Parts: sequence; C-alpha cells; structure tokens
Amino acid sequence: QSALTQPASVSGSPGQSITISCTGTSSDVGGYEYVSWYQQHPGKAPKLIIYEVSDRPSGVPDRFSGSKSGNTASLTISGLQAVDEADYFCSSYTTTGLPVFGGGTKLTVL
Amino acid sequence: EVQLVQSGAEVKKSGESLKISCKGSGYRFSKSWIGWVRQMPGKGLEWMGVIYPGDSDTRYSPSFQGQVTISADKSISTAYLQWSSLKASDTAMYYCARGGDPPNGMDVWGQGTTVIVSS
Repeated sequence: QSALTQPASVSGSPGQSITISCTGTSSDVGGYEYVSWYQQHPGKAPKLIIYEVSDRPSGVPDRFSGSKSGNTASLTISGLQAVDEADYFCSSYTTTGLPVFGGGTKLTVL
Repeated sequence: EVQLVQSGAEVKKSGESLKISCKGSGYRFSKSWIGWVRQMPGKGLEWMGVIYPGDSDTRYSPSFQGQVTISADKSISTAYLQWSSLKASDTAMYYCARGGDPPNGMDVWGQGTTVIVSS
C-alpha cells in the first residue's frame, strides 16, 4: 500500500496554532476511524499522541487534537511551544489488515 | 509499568543472519498486537509487519514480505524479527510497538534496536 501524504515541513511561532494534514484513500484514512498520530523527537522512539482519529492517550496535553474529513486526517497543535518541535507521523489502518504511515512532517517552532 | 524492551545493537556483515527481540512486561502479552517498524537513517517510519501473539496471526507489508520473518513466543512474552541474509540496505533502527485491535494506535514502543550491516 502507498504511504499517506503529509507536508514535508510546517512551522509556527510560539503560541500560534498549526495543522498538519494526512491524505490517503478510501482504503485507509477514508474507510476507517483508525487514524493515529505520533510525535518523534530526534534520537527518540515515536510517541502516540492521537488514536482513533481524535482521542488522546492519558498524559498528552489537550493542545493536541485530531480530526478527519473524507480521505484526509488532520493534527492541530494549538498554543505552540518550543518542546513541540519534532517530526510528526500519521498512520491509518488499511483494507490489507495492516497500518500504513505517512511520510512524516517536520515541525519547526520559530 | 507496561513496557517493551528490545535487544541490543547489532553490527553484522552482509549475508549473515540475525534475530532481534522485543520483550513485553506489565500486560497480557498475548492479547495485544506487536508491530515492527523500520526507520532508515534520516528517513521516516515504515511498518514492516504485525503479529498477534495469542494466535500467531502474522501480516507483512508487501515491501518486507519474504525479506524478514516475524514471530512470537507468548510463553516468554517475546516477539522476534529475523533476517536469513542481511544486506547493507537493512542498516536502520528497528522498533517494536504494542497496539490494540485492529493494529494501529501503538501506545507502547520499545527503545529501538540499531542494526548496522557492512558490506
């Protein structure tokens, strides 16, 4: 299956909001409510920040939110902080019975 | 504490075999999917495959089918990723991760195993 499409990079200033998109097809993002988002800081393992499109694991700040419309999912980070600077990856369950990742988005906090 | 602990870094030569491990603790290992993820240097995340230790249901991403073998021993709460003949292009960080059903939102990750393959 093909990787989901994410912008290579986004940036924002502290306090601002940014949105990262994740576009797939009806065989993945559009077909299931199983979209997840992961945050990865350099040299660290990925961390789950959103699951099932919009749910947050315990301990993840409510500045992080997820949504989906059709074949495109989105991650919004509000009140941007320096600590949010990281790579972000979306993932969706697919009709193959496997998940698929997006290519990743580098978030720069200016 | 729920955790996945992976085996240590490996340095191998092309053509050699390798088996790395991922040991779960703090939860019922047989009741959650385990996925393996490759991250090549400076690149993104790639799903290699997933396994459900309870019944050994194993699914491989097309890019990795026939290239690796994923297995699990639920009696010792350990999943494995193995290669029969490594290539230099297998040089990467490999992560295991735990997920619900269906396999997607992976909430616990191992610390990663670095594999370096020299030609």
